[in-house]
Amino acid sequence: AQSVTQLDSHVSVSEGTPVLLRCNYSSSYSPSLFWYVQHPNKGLQLLLKYTSAATLVKGINGFEAEFKKSETSFHLTKPSAHMSDAAEYFCVVSALVTDSWGKLQFGAGTQVVVTP
Amino acid sequence: KAGVTQTPRYLIKTRGQQVTLSCSPISGHRSVSWYQQTPGQGLQFLFEYFSETQRNKGNFPGRFSGRQFSNSRSEMNVSTLELGDSALYLCASSLGGSSHQPQHFGDGTRLSIL
Repeated sequence: AQSVTQLDSHVSVSEGTPVLLRCNYSSSYSPSLFWYVQHPNKGLQLLLKYTSAATLVKGINGFEAEFKKSETSFHLTKPSAHMSDAAEYFCVVSALVTDSWGKLQFGAGTQVVVTP
Repeated sequence: KAGVTQTPRYLIKTRGQQVTLSCSPISGHRSVSWYQQTPGQGLQFLFEYFSETQRNKGNFPGRFSGRQFSNSRSEMNVSTLELGDSALYLCASSLGGSSHQPQHFGDGTRLSIL
């Protein structure tokens, strides 16, 4: 079984300051981990993915995430927030087992607010 | 390369009706997954199709069904609509050979039940 916990439902940051979105996961198998972003009235856009290669993963728009197996965490960071980063962010796990074909397990989401 | 296309974008139905939603995947992608997104339950997996076969199914009643065509396009059908079926329905496509491959999402169909 697998699950994802996003530790903050809302995060508010000032423009130009760092962003940290926290995610812990649980998986019985070697997982793939993803971060997606969803802007209002839009679908989900892939920010980055971890698939058992480098533990520090760089994504689009200046985001990066670090996979820490010992802590079962996959936190998302960005050094400097931009107004356009205001959106909802989802941490997602996918297990490499045949009965999980096509099934992504989503966290509850973190709503990010960016203030000028 | 064109992204995932879902039609229609918005739909209003009444209780008891049925509805069909359509999803065209990215060219070359053979896997299509469907998700329901609601404020209360978040994002929940409905089912996944690969090469016209359903490989996986979530915990939804039989009123929710789907299919995939030979060109990988997929449809989702909901019969006997209930108020609780109001949601954003998202489809996502991937190459499908491995769960390591990321899924790419469409903008969804927002279904409102009156």
